[in-house]
Amino acid sequence: GAVVSQHPSRVICKSGTSVKIECRSLDFQATTMFWYRQFPKQSLMLMATSNEGSKATYEQGVEKDKFLINHASLTLSTLTVTSAHPEDSSFYICSAPVGGEAFFGQGTRLTVV
Amino acid sequence: EDQVTQSPEALRLQEGESSSLNCSYTVSGLRGLFWYRQDPGKGPEFLFTLYSAGEEKEKERLKATLTKKESFLHITAPKPEDSATYLCAVQVGGSNYKLTFGKGTLLTVNP
Repeated sequence: GAVVSQHPSRVICKSGTSVKIECRSLDFQATTMFWYRQFPKQSLMLMATSNEGSKATYEQGVEKDKFLINHASLTLSTLTVTSAHPEDSSFYICSAPVGGEAFFGQGTRLTVV
Repeated sequence: EDQVTQSPEALRLQEGESSSLNCSYTVSGLRGLFWYRQDPGKGPEFLFTLYSAGEEKEKERLKATLTKKESFLHITAPKPEDSATYLCAVQVGGSNYKLTFGKGTLLTVNP
């Protein structure tokens, strides 16, 4: 199957700082990537859809100025959590569709202290 | 609003004890139903996609089936390494591969 690589796997940051998470498609080109957030024992919730070369589409209730998404190339999408607060602590996962399937990155555990 | 409900929330089995996980859905225009396995602290791992009622797919000890209202993931003679959270997700027509997930079933298989 297709490989989606996500980095870092874990990050701890101080409240008020920004954190960037990278999602790369290693063996295919991804014009679309999805960013999800998952709280403990909860479902994956779609945050936004990133589109190569255009603006991301955010789901209702997701602050686009806080969660900055950039999809500058066909193999890289980034999610930047700006001015992070403890309530932003969560598991963030990216995915890319390939041939009718969706392949996921390894996820990033963000802890804001 | 599209809804996906998985049951049970948690399931404990003895090694070799077969069982089924349920995923019921309410969507308009199902394009595909997906099953994933998720280990703690990891991203979901793709298992199956089902597209139409009556379809079945198998992989080792797992078999997924689909009706117009629900999907089942049958686990035959499970092993401890099958312990994980199993996620069900639906994709509706025209949604550009956007998936709506259920909360998952945490499966524990004891040796």
